[in-house]
Amino acid sequence: GAGVSQSPSNKVTEKGKDVELRCDPISGHTALYWYRQSLGQGLEFLIYFQGNSAPDKSGLPSDRFSAERTGGSVSTLTIQRTQQEDSAVYLCASSRGGGADHEQYFGPGTRLTVT
Amino acid sequence: QKEVEQNSGPLSVPEGAIASLNCTYSDRGSQSFFWYRQYSGKSPELIMFIYSNGDKEDGRFTAQLNKASQYVSLLIRDSQPSDSATYLCAVRVGAAGNKLTFGGGTRVLVKP
Repeated sequence: GAGVSQSPSNKVTEKGKDVELRCDPISGHTALYWYRQSLGQGLEFLIYFQGNSAPDKSGLPSDRFSAERTGGSVSTLTIQRTQQEDSAVYLCASSRGGGADHEQYFGPGTRLTVT
Repeated sequence: QKEVEQNSGPLSVPEGAIASLNCTYSDRGSQSFFWYRQYSGKSPELIMFIYSNGDKEDGRFTAQLNKASQYVSLLIRDSQPSDSATYLCAVRVGAAGNKLTFGGGTRVLVKP
């Protein structure tokens, strides 16, 4: 079946502009995660959505970052007033549920470059 | 001390040999363990997961978990050049834990 999809695949933006990144999880997966991967920082957790529960925002690096998930499916990660240190690959993952025995599957990622 | 540690490599193995990758973690509450393979420029691909102490085999891959010693390992038998990639160890803490904490990855090079 279809995997996790993300758009755009690449995004170049000027410092100070806002960007929106989109994630469409695997059909039937109730849990959705955002991570980012940058050189020197490895892969780090940003935010987690599970069903109608309040999201776990503990990984968001600043209040310029926000995310929403509409209708329990598609999610949008928004970065306001982008900075050069925001340049990274933003990865979305989904799983069947939020339990410890539910494996996470990653989308292809969005490569964000802030100039 | 990092929460999840891996040797960055590169781990160079000849084709047909066994590649052995290790990962240690600091949180004794960790309950689920995952190995992802990541090719350059691509996203991580799940190849193994293990939840109980002992060994788990899937094809050419074997994951080994030792919670008492807080390590998890991955063996790749009959290594192929297509196995050349970075292997990421990921750990989830707690029964209802959600986020994965990743190690920095081990780069593996399989030489023909």
